[in-house]
Amino acid sequence: EAGVVQSPRYKIIEKKQPVAFWCNPISGHNTLYWYRQNLGQGPELLIRYENEEAVDDSQLPKDRFSAERLKGVDSTLKIQPAELGDSAVYLCASSFGGRNTIYFGEGSWLTVV
Amino acid sequence: GQQVMQIPQYQHVQEGEDFTTYCNSSTTLSNIQWYKQRPGGHPVFLIQLVKSGEVKKQKRLTFQFGEAKKNSSLHITATQTTDVGTYFCAGPGQTGANNLFFGTGTRLTVIP
Repeated sequence: EAGVVQSPRYKIIEKKQPVAFWCNPISGHNTLYWYRQNLGQGPELLIRYENEEAVDDSQLPKDRFSAERLKGVDSTLKIQPAELGDSAVYLCASSFGGRNTIYFGEGSWLTVV
Repeated sequence: GQQVMQIPQYQHVQEGEDFTTYCNSSTTLSNIQWYKQRPGGHPVFLIQLVKSGEVKKQKRLTFQFGEAKKNSSLHITATQTTDVGTYFCAGPGQTGANNLFFGTGTRLTVIP
């Protein structure tokens, strides 16, 4: 069974440029999460989807971050414009039912220069 | 706000020595999960504890949930180089039981 797939794995952009990350969750998992992990810290939740509905986006910096999950499967996370402080690993994760084990993808490593 | 602290932040051990990391929450948790993240990798689920005072074992790993459900520990017996990584505890976030709130992590280095 395929795990959570993310792309790109690595991205280097200049500040003020836009960037987008894509995530394909495990088949059948209705709950999808985007986490951000700064170096040396634990993952921090940005947004959680139940199917296509964003049920918790309280930690998402809405002035520059946006996310969507069309059709309740794949999801994209966008940053526009990127700032130096956005350099981090963006982890997508999924689970079945929201209360079970969360499976993480490999992450998208973003460096803003 | 909710805080989940782990100690120590870093731990270096000689291969074969034991290792313990402690997780302390500022709030009572309905459950706690433990994850392992290898260097350059992503967090991987290890276990979930639900009951007060619960103890679970996975080979050389022993997990414990405190009686007050505000703290937990992970103990590794006779560490191996494959145990290298950062160990995170995580509990339900204040914004909802379905959101995991991760601790600060303990980074384990095993010296061969």
